Amino acid sequence: DTAVSQTPKYLVTQMGNDKSIKCEQNLGHDTMYWYKQDSKKFLKIMFSYNNKELIINETVPNRFSPKSPDKAHLNLHINSLELGDSAVYFCASSRVGNTIYFGEGSWLTVV
Amino acid sequence: KQEVTQIPAALSVPEGENLVLNCSFTDSAIYNLQWFRQDPGKGLTSLLLIQSSQREQTSGRLNASLDKSSGRSTLYIAASQPGDSATYLCAAFNNAGNMLTFGGGTRLMVKP
Repeated sequence: DTAVSQTPKYLVTQMGNDKSIKCEQNLGHDTMYWYKQDSKKFLKIMFSYNNKELIINETVPNRFSPKSPDKAHLNLHINSLELGDSAVYFCASSRVGNTIYFGEGSWLTVV
Repeated sequence: KQEVTQIPAALSVPEGENLVLNCSFTDSAIYNLQWFRQDPGKGLTSLLLIQSSQREQTSGRLNASLDKSSGRSTLYIAASQPGDSATYLCAAFNNAGNMLTFGGGTRLMVKP
């Protein structure tokens, strides 16, 4: 059983397009996250949601809009994609302050 | 703002060696500290979680220690195996427990 699943795993798209990445967790966690891993493999938090409420927004351009329809889902929509958006995007979930579980990642390539 | 640093950035050892990976953090007001493993092209797997009130945690050949006052944590891997080859990431949860800040990772290669 996949605990945190995100789709698609791979995404290649042109500059200027709009795309979405979906994430679902079946662990009953109350907190979900989006992290970005850049080309240097550094992981940086983008958003943190607790019980569908936005808690953390780490200076992410407003082209990135997270949506949490319920506690089990946190989707990421990206408008007007730029070359610099190419990265691996990881969804994760946890209970507050407990072990955090990551999805397998979504490899986004903007050409 | 929390900053997490990992030293060394890369490490290559022969099989069977015991090794230590280092992690330091600037803000000691943490909820807990976690160690992860990442294999190439994969997500992150949680290895150990140390609560802020704890000094160490053990799981099999892995032992992680935490010294909040000095802002340091170490991951000790005993009797390393080629299957341990991966990137090891240290991350500190903020006081509210809703944001995990990662170090840059240590890329470990264990040679047979």
